Amino acid sequence: GEDVEQSLFLSVREGDSSVINCTYTDSSSTYLYWYKQEPGAGLQLLTYIFSNMDMKQDQRLTVLLNKKDKHLSLRIADTQTGDSAIYFCAERWAGRRALTFGSGTRLQVQP
Amino acid sequence: GAVVSQHPSWVICKSGTSVKIECRSLDFQATTMFWYRQFPKQSLMLMATSNEGSKATYEQGVEKDKFLINHASLTLSTLTVTSAHPEDSSFYICSARDRKKGQETQYFGPGTRLLVL
Repeated sequence: GEDVEQSLFLSVREGDSSVINCTYTDSSSTYLYWYKQEPGAGLQLLTYIFSNMDMKQDQRLTVLLNKKDKHLSLRIADTQTGDSAIYFCAERWAGRRALTFGSGTRLQVQP
Repeated sequence: GAVVSQHPSWVICKSGTSVKIECRSLDFQATTMFWYRQFPKQSLMLMATSNEGSKATYEQGVEKDKFLINHASLTLSTLTVTSAHPEDSSFYICSARDRKKGQETQYFGPGTRLLVL
């Protein structure tokens, strides 16, 4: 079975970079995702990476994938107070259309 | 971008009643929709996969007779919580995959918060 793990909490100062980490166990993962959830709201897709890629950059967001170690990270440059939210990583593995989510990392950005 | 809506956004009901939650894809067609459940401060857990024109596929441990799913059209899936109990109180989130796009696209609704008294 699949398992996705994240650290629960991260606190950074405004303007610093944030790095949120995620590990997964299923080597047949095809796509890996990062979602943002603000209080009381649904999930917003931030970015995703195909499993044969090592890195993907989209404006302030950089996703790094180490497939050998099954480690995924999301770096947010110049973190703002509006980035405070819960960030979920998720994987979709071959043969399954639904996503498996990690437990979420609560990012707190201090002014 | 693609939009998925849910209705209602929140609902309070008495124990023993049934509640229907709608999930709509507003600007695309979705042959497959997914229903997730999220408890406070926890992750999303997949409940079932809703397939247009056929029966839903339920995850292990999810009672299909309690959580009725109907996917009658390419833009609408409904989840009915039958004979609701306080332990059914949760945040229910649906997602939909655009049939014209690749496997990587899955758009989430804003969620429905259910409170059973």
